[in-house]
Amino acid sequence: ELKVEQNPLFLSMQEGKNYTIYCNYSTTSDRLYWYRQDPGKSLESLFVLLSNGAVKQEGRLMASLDTKARLSTLHITAAVHDLSATYFCAGPNFGNEKLTFGTGTRLTIIP
Amino acid sequence: DAGVIQSPRHEVTEMGQEVTLRCKPISGHDYLFWYRQTMMRGLELLIYFNNNVPIDDSGMPEDRFSAKMPNASFSTLKIQPSEPRDSAVYFCASSPQIFGQDQPQHFGDGTRLSIL
Repeated sequence: ELKVEQNPLFLSMQEGKNYTIYCNYSTTSDRLYWYRQDPGKSLESLFVLLSNGAVKQEGRLMASLDTKARLSTLHITAAVHDLSATYFCAGPNFGNEKLTFGTGTRLTIIP
Repeated sequence: DAGVIQSPRHEVTEMGQEVTLRCKPISGHDYLFWYRQTMMRGLELLIYFNNNVPIDDSGMPEDRFSAKMPNASFSTLKIQPSEPRDSAVYFCASSPQIFGQDQPQHFGDGTRLSIL
């Protein structure tokens, strides 16, 4: 079964700074998903990355996928307080529709 | 379009009682997933259905847990008897048949379950 590791688990950063969250997965996969979860809320889909080299951007967030390295990154540019949340990456298991989620990165943006 | 609808939003009950969680997937979605989220174990897939048929229930923790999907617009997750360690947030999610395209799983708001 696919294993997904995220790091860091916790991240505090100042407003205006840049940072990257890393997502490593254990077996070959051509897809990777990023979700956001606010405290006490549901999971909201952010990005779907469908191929090697895929890059998607939405506002201050940019996600990329390197299937050869089995690595996806979520880059935050000039962080603002509204981005404080927990971010999850998830990958599909081969041959079925199951998603394996990473442990999540709890991001706190400090004014 | 309405999203995935779960009920109840919160449930507090005593140990030993039966608990039933409900989910209405997004219309037209063929896959339905039940997840459990806890601080200790993170987000775990319990079971998923395709076209109302259970495909993989390997994540269901014990025989006390059961799930059904009698039709395309309704699913239940039942715990009987409930135990304090079942306390968690339970999410339902759905996705369309062509999972590999640009359609992620869409999550409901969850049911926060507390077993006393």
